[in-house]
Amino acid sequence: DTAVSQTPKYLVTQMGNDKSIKCEQNLGHDTMYWYKQDSKKFLKIMFSYNNKELIINETVPNRFSPKSPDKAHLNLHINSLELGDSAVYFCASSQGRPYTGELFFGEGSRLTVL
Amino acid sequence: DAKTTQPNSMESNEEEPVHLPCNHSTISGTDYIHWYRQLPSQGPEYVIHGLTSNVNNRMASLAIAEDRKSSTLILHRATLRDAAVYYCILTSHNTDKLIFGTGTRLQVFP
Repeated sequence: DTAVSQTPKYLVTQMGNDKSIKCEQNLGHDTMYWYKQDSKKFLKIMFSYNNKELIINETVPNRFSPKSPDKAHLNLHINSLELGDSAVYFCASSQGRPYTGELFFGEGSRLTVL
Repeated sequence: DAKTTQPNSMESNEEEPVHLPCNHSTISGTDYIHWYRQLPSQGPEYVIHGLTSNVNNRMASLAIAEDRKSSTLILHRATLRDAAVYYCILTSHNTDKLIFGTGTRLQVFP
């Protein structure tokens, strides 16, 4: 029973397309995150939601729009995909702020833009 | 956010102890020390965290220097499955995010 699940695991698409990645957590956590890991393996936070409210938006282009329909879900929609968007996107969740304990990460969604 | 410094890579043999160092000379009194690891093709995984005292759990031990300017993650008996990138991260009670650095890539040889 996966704690943080992301779909799809792999996504290959053309430049200019719009795509979405979904994330669900069954841990009852109140905070969810999106991280991006680029080809150099650098992990960078993009967004964070607490109880469906956006609390972190790390200078991510407007083409990226997160949506949290409820505490258990955080989806990422990307418009007008560019080559530089190719990366692995990780969803994570925690109960409260990170200092209190652990973040649980999903297995990642590898996006390839051609 | 206070920064951490880790070696780029380390090597170990299977079943030997591994000591992964982390320097954080600018740590503040409210900063917690967290360790995560990322196995190949997987998401990061929590390992351990502490504030001032040494901590043990089923995965590892965390030894924190008395002045808190450095810490060491100890894997008591490395296995091949422990080959991963290990991240040492500082976070405080008013921080809403984990900031990952470049970490230490641990190789474990049979």
